[in-house]
Amino acid sequence: NAGVTQTPKFRILKIGQSMTLQCAQDMNHNYMYWYRQDPGMGLKLIYYSVGAGITDKGEVPNGYNVSRSTTEDFPLRLELAAPSQTSVYFCASSYARDEQYFGPGTRLTVT
Amino acid sequence: AQSVSQHNHHVILSEAASLELGCNYSYGGTVNLFWYVQYPGQHLQLLLKYFSGDPLVKGIKGFEAEFIKSKFSFNLRKPSVQWSDTAEYFCAVRNYGGSQGNLIFGKGTKLSVKP
Repeated sequence: NAGVTQTPKFRILKIGQSMTLQCAQDMNHNYMYWYRQDPGMGLKLIYYSVGAGITDKGEVPNGYNVSRSTTEDFPLRLELAAPSQTSVYFCASSYARDEQYFGPGTRLTVT
Repeated sequence: AQSVSQHNHHVILSEAASLELGCNYSYGGTVNLFWYVQYPGQHLQLLLKYFSGDPLVKGIKGFEAEFIKSKFSFNLRKPSVQWSDTAEYFCAVRNYGGSQGNLIFGKGTKLSVKP
């Protein structure tokens, strides 16, 4: 099993550009999550999903959108990138309320 | 709002020293508790978790944690650290009755172990 995979690993965006961060898991987990990690701030939940077709906002959803059309994939969309979105983004998945498995992360810089 | 506090931002130890990292949370109901580790340049990995039962939980790589309900604490311990334990450690709490299993993370404690 590959576990949770994320692409790309690194990306530099200009202010105002858009992009999609990809996340996929092959563990048949129903729950999936997107977090951002900023230095000294821990992880903040952006969006989560409890199953295909169901998504909901986390703590810091502004400037982001998600969709969940399949169990395996949970892409995160950034519209109109801003410098405040410079961060490391982690995708995670879990079987219901059990432990979360994290992907390797995407380091995004917005300049 | 629910919160998780990790008391130490950066801990520096020599090899073979004992480690204790503090974690306190604010929620008074039933909780699930986790410690995750992030080695340099890597993703988060689970060290150990507590759901119920024996409040002393043993995890991977010789780590353990003790849940003390009366103190709202879940401190991480290791009797003798190694250079390879250099990493950032995150405590996380889930309110058992909260929405959809979402975790609240502490801000992390960076551990540096000197060889």
